[in-house]
Amino acid sequence: AQTVTQSQPEMSVQEAETVTLSCTYDTSESNYYLFWYKQPPSRQMILVIRQEAYKQQNATENRFSVNFQKAAKSFSLKISDSQLGDTAMYFCAFMLPDGGATNKLIFGTGTLLAVQP
Amino acid sequence: DTEVTQTPKHLVMGMTNKKSLKCEQHMGHRAMYWYKQKAKKPPELMFVYSYEKLSINESVPSRFSPECPNSSLLNLHLHALQPEDSALYLCASSHEDSTIYFGEGSWLTVV
Repeated sequence: AQTVTQSQPEMSVQEAETVTLSCTYDTSESNYYLFWYKQPPSRQMILVIRQEAYKQQNATENRFSVNFQKAAKSFSLKISDSQLGDTAMYFCAFMLPDGGATNKLIFGTGTLLAVQP
Repeated sequence: DTEVTQTPKHLVMGMTNKKSLKCEQHMGHRAMYWYKQKAKKPPELMFVYSYEKLSINESVPSRFSPECPNSSLLNLHLHALQPEDSALYLCASSHEDSTIYFGEGSWLTVV
């Protein structure tokens, strides 16, 4: 069975600084997807970034980037130039593609990030 | 456009009421999902529809009844709920690239 672990329940960062959120996972599969979702106080779950396990290059989306270490089963999220709007719960998630259109996300427990002015 | 629309945003219902949550997407996604989320917890998968057929039911009580009238719509019918069913209900959809997109959620309070 696959598991996702986020060991930092809460984190705080000053505006304009950089913060890294940790995520580790466990699987015996070689082909899978990893995601970071952001859930601000409005509660909508927003996709931040996606990584395919077969790609060695780390995904980036503007100020968000990941450090994907497949051998170590680690998938951390780096947020550069933190903004007040980045305050949210961040969930790391794992998915095994099933070849069809139904895919189950396995979520970590989340990291609550507070950006301080 | 990655929009999943849910209505209503907020719903308060009594334990004897029958109500429905609605979800719509126009992205051509063939899979749609219902998740339940309690405060400070990750979402929990309830149901998955693939090509308008129920493909996954995560042992959800029968007081929750999903329906997929067509490829763009997903309903969750609610009947005889309990106060512990109060939660945020998230609808989501996905295409073959596996990325799942979520709606804004429906806040449900059972009184």
